[in-house]
Amino acid sequence: DSGVTQTPKHLITATGQRVTLRCSPRSGDLSVYWYQQSLDQGLQFLIQYYNGEERAKGNILERFSAQQFPDLHSELNLSSLELGDSALYFCASSGRTGVSYEQYFGPGTRLTVT
Amino acid sequence: GDSVTQMEGPVTLSEEAFLTINCTYTATGYPSLFWYVQYPGEGLQLLLKATKADDKGSNKGFEATYRKETTSFHLEKGSVQVSDSAVYFCALSDLGLGEKLTFGTGTRLTIIP
Repeated sequence: DSGVTQTPKHLITATGQRVTLRCSPRSGDLSVYWYQQSLDQGLQFLIQYYNGEERAKGNILERFSAQQFPDLHSELNLSSLELGDSALYFCASSGRTGVSYEQYFGPGTRLTVT
Repeated sequence: GDSVTQMEGPVTLSEEAFLTINCTYTATGYPSLFWYVQYPGEGLQLLLKATKADDKGSNKGFEATYRKETTSFHLEKGSVQVSDSAVYFCALSDLGLGEKLTFGTGTRLTIIP
């Protein structure tokens, strides 16, 4: 158990809909990262938050947004969903260990868009 | 930009065989290198890491050495077990460009009893 929790575990929805994925980081970790894992794109970094502020952006679509709340949990909002958004969405959190930042991953949310 | 190239899979080995999964990287800065493992139906688990040249990361019998001269971080295990069956991802993090992980495509490993 990494200490990172994600809900829901599975989500099935229709095209055009909007969903919210939730992530709670490990106790004490200030950074939260979101990644998308799909068969064609592999594992891709979407966005990072640090202590409530956006820190880095990757290949995140404009239809997607995220935020980190004062209690450090994070939500990833996906709107106007398309079939191609079907993927596993992982959240990770990190704290500094020596000179590197180790990221610990949650179990993921499997999104299926029909 | 940064990238990771990983040995194509899938890889099938017999129990107790020697394992090597190749990984090479391209980075503008001086990255930290990681191997993550994903068991069926689960998230990614950090297997091992190395943060500077010639560092050797090791865990659960797996090893990888950070080779700056060949920009490589190959994963090895001397004697694999059925329980090692999983997907293995090589990744890098370049603090100069932020902490995000850049992953390879993953290598599916199946160990046959």
